[in-house]
Amino acid sequence: AQKVTQAQTEISVVEKEDVTLDCVYETRDTTYYLFWYKQPPSGELVFLIRRNSFDEQNEISGRYSWNFQKSTSSFNFTITASQVVDSAVYFCAQASPGSARQLTFGSGTQLTVLP
Amino acid sequence: DVKVTQSSRYLVKRTGEKVFLECVQDMDHENMFWYRQDPGLGLRLIYFSYDVKMKEKGDIPEGYSVSREKKERFSLILESASTNQTSMYLCASSLAIQGGEVAFFGQGTRLTVV
Repeated sequence: AQKVTQAQTEISVVEKEDVTLDCVYETRDTTYYLFWYKQPPSGELVFLIRRNSFDEQNEISGRYSWNFQKSTSSFNFTITASQVVDSAVYFCAQASPGSARQLTFGSGTQLTVLP
Repeated sequence: DVKVTQSSRYLVKRTGEKVFLECVQDMDHENMFWYRQDPGLGLRLIYFSYDVKMKEKGDIPEGYSVSREKKERFSLILESASTNQTSMYLCASSLAIQGGEVAFFGQGTRLTVV
């Protein structure tokens, strides 16, 4: 069975601080996909990134970066120089090929960026 | 842009009422999903559908049913609403290729059962 753990329930930072959101996953599959979604106060989940299990290269997109480490089963998300608009709930999720059930989500991390 | 539209942002219903939550997607996706979101529990899958008239139970199907008569539309039905079904409901859709496809979400329906 798949499981995704986001141990940080809530994080508060002051604007311009860097913040890392942790995600640990469990799976017996050798091929799988990992995702991050952002849920702003408006409610809609917004897709941020998908990585497959064969690509451990870290990725950077503007102020966002992701650190995928298979050795520790982690897929952590860092926001550099945080902004108030980054305040949202962030979800990590996992999926496996051939599974129409799609995504298994973590419980989410509420990030609050204070001005 | 992919668009997943849920018919209501907010609903208030009485205990025992039959409730319909509607979801429409415009990207010809095969897969559609209904999730329930509760604080501290993340998103839990209620039902999903991989084709018209095809459905499978998710992790928490009790008290719910679904209908998919057309490819673009997926309805969630609460046969007799109860207060423990007060929650945020999220619909999603995705392509059905190899699995691991990106799911696109609607804006959510916050249902309150009184």
